[in-house]
Amino acid sequence: ETGVTQSPTHLIKTRGQQVTLRCSSQSGHNTVSWYQQALGQGPQFIFQYYREEENGRGNFPPRFSGLQFPNYSSELNVNALELDDSALYLCASSTGTSHPGELFFGEGSRLTVL
Amino acid sequence: DAKTTQPNSMESNEEEPVHLPCNHSTISGTDYIHWYRQLPSQGPEYVIHGLTSNVNNRMASLAIAEDRKSSTLILHRATLRDAAVYYCIQYMDSNYQLIWGAGTKLIIKP
Repeated sequence: ETGVTQSPTHLIKTRGQQVTLRCSSQSGHNTVSWYQQALGQGPQFIFQYYREEENGRGNFPPRFSGLQFPNYSSELNVNALELDDSALYLCASSTGTSHPGELFFGEGSRLTVL
Repeated sequence: DAKTTQPNSMESNEEEPVHLPCNHSTISGTDYIHWYRQLPSQGPEYVIHGLTSNVNNRMASLAIAEDRKSSTLILHRATLRDAAVYYCIQYMDSNYQLIWGAGTKLIIKP
């Protein structure tokens, strides 16, 4: 069984640029959520996708957007990057047959904004 | 905003039980308590969750206070591989959010 995979693992951008992060969910999982984890802090919920529709969103501005594809993989897009966007971005997947809070996380994409 | 509070760090000896406390005084009746742990340079790993009654699984036990304002994660026999940051989390069923606190860094001494 393939776990959650994220790409790229590390990337560096400059302020004002745009970035796309990718996530392949675990086999059989139809729900994907994204989290932002600043250094030394717990993850913060960005949004969740279920069957290609956003069905939950945290306190993040509209420049954070996402997509989920028919194969349940997902993208996180961040426009107009700011220095504070530097963080580890985590993708997690889950299946509708398990408790919705039981998530399987990837190892994350570490974004540095200069 | 974090809805759970935990000690910043705890130390324990290898092969002894560990009790990790968490306060969640504003929890509502339908919010679950989840615990995840995160090893260095890895994504978080699910440990256990519960609503009202105590729960056990192969990794740990979760004891939830009768008023649900606090809970304790119990590792019955800690090993060096259990050294990680442990997060106590409120799962809000209303909008599918996991609300994470700052976590407890667990240090295991050989």
